[in-house]
Amino acid sequence: GAGVSQSPSNKVTEKGKDVELRCDPISGHTALYWYRQSLGQGLEFLIYFQGNSAPDKSGLPSDRFSAERTGGSVSTLTIQRTQQEDSAVYLCASSLQAYGYTFGSGTRLTVV
Amino acid sequence: KQEVTQIPAALSVPEGENLVLNCSFTDSAIYNLQWFRQDPGKGLTSLLLIQSSQREQTSGRLNASLDKSSGRSTLYIAASQPGDSATYLCAVITDSWGKLQFGAGTQVVVTP
Repeated sequence: GAGVSQSPSNKVTEKGKDVELRCDPISGHTALYWYRQSLGQGLEFLIYFQGNSAPDKSGLPSDRFSAERTGGSVSTLTIQRTQQEDSAVYLCASSLQAYGYTFGSGTRLTVV
Repeated sequence: KQEVTQIPAALSVPEGENLVLNCSFTDSAIYNLQWFRQDPGKGLTSLLLIQSSQREQTSGRLNASLDKSSGRSTLYIAASQPGDSATYLCAVITDSWGKLQFGAGTQVVVTP
């Protein structure tokens, strides 16, 4: 497609379960971001992939969070042993180098 | 370290008035600056991208200016409409690696 695609759009999970969030960037885009946004809060940087370089994981809040990007394209954000404070909207964005970022519609995660 | 500030944090205007949103950044050595719009519970929509060599960009009722030397960008929205109500975010890219840095946003309400 023409845009950044995120799936699922909504996810409700029980506390303690693992979840995987998927991001399909725009084809050919080398840079990919994950952010999260808790209710009424600003954007919190999680992780940044750029080409074949080692990702910048400095924003991951705990070791329960991990992300990978396979073949320089699709990215998966995994949250293990989910907690209620993980409830947020998780946003993915991609860009061709540094020339403007396109965001997906996000995944709304609710941990009950 | 780059810091991005948006003033005001919130703004309410009657329909028809022009909107002026400010973004300032501490390190003038930026590559690009991008303005986004976010509606409640939604992802980010790109409005305008200004490359470092440019002074302004225009799209319809929107105009964004960039003054790198003073570390400022201003987003003008002419003849505001209730549909312009949203949070507006600016983001800068300050290195060739393309990492985004966001301001906290300006929440705009346009009253009919």
